[in-house]
Amino acid sequence: GDSVTQMEGPVTLSEEAFLTINCTYTATGYPSLFWYVQYPGEGLQLLLKATKADDKGSNKGFEATYRKETTSFHLEKGSVQVSDSAVYFCALSDPVNQGGKLIFGQGTELSVKP
Amino acid sequence: DSGVTQTPKHLITATGQRVTLRCSPRSGDLSVYWYQQSLDQGLQFLIQYYNGEERAKGNILERFSAQQFPDLHSELNLSSLELGDSALYFCASSGLKANVLTFGAGSRLTVL
Repeated sequence: GDSVTQMEGPVTLSEEAFLTINCTYTATGYPSLFWYVQYPGEGLQLLLKATKADDKGSNKGFEATYRKETTSFHLEKGSVQVSDSAVYFCALSDPVNQGGKLIFGQGTELSVKP
Repeated sequence: DSGVTQTPKHLITATGQRVTLRCSPRSGDLSVYWYQQSLDQGLQFLIQYYNGEERAKGNILERFSAQQFPDLHSELNLSSLELGDSALYFCASSGLKANVLTFGAGSRLTVL
């Protein structure tokens, strides 16, 4: 079945460092791809999304490009801040084959030090 | 505030007991999803309802059941609780853009 694999954490960076969190997926159809973020003690919030190949999602300085040829959706940010410390989840949704539910990766914890 | 309301925020109970978690979706959203988040299993999809009808089922145990009421709120019932059921339970809702889910803050269940 469909699945999402993320790089393992935790990832620890200094403020203003470059961030990459790798995400690859397996899907039988043509899924939409998402990054959600979970701040400590809170629920998940949608960070960005892309609905078709070569789409780039972006928000709050974060970007990810839907790469069908490599089945990847890596999250990047050029300069992280302490406030970016959170757990990041890559997810896919295949409404045609799987309904509206999201299938999540295992999450990657990011810790940004001042 | 995401607009998805979950109660209770925290719940502590004993093995063998039964609990009910409640979710009110965002205004206008017809779909409700339940997820379980635990350290060892990550985020697992449990079940989805659309306008009162069950739409999809995931890794939901037989001891668990859910329903969505005419006012669109949903309840997740967990019975014969075991230690391993301790987890965060999230509800999410979606509207016309069916693949964009909005999550509630979660209900943390601790089974002692």
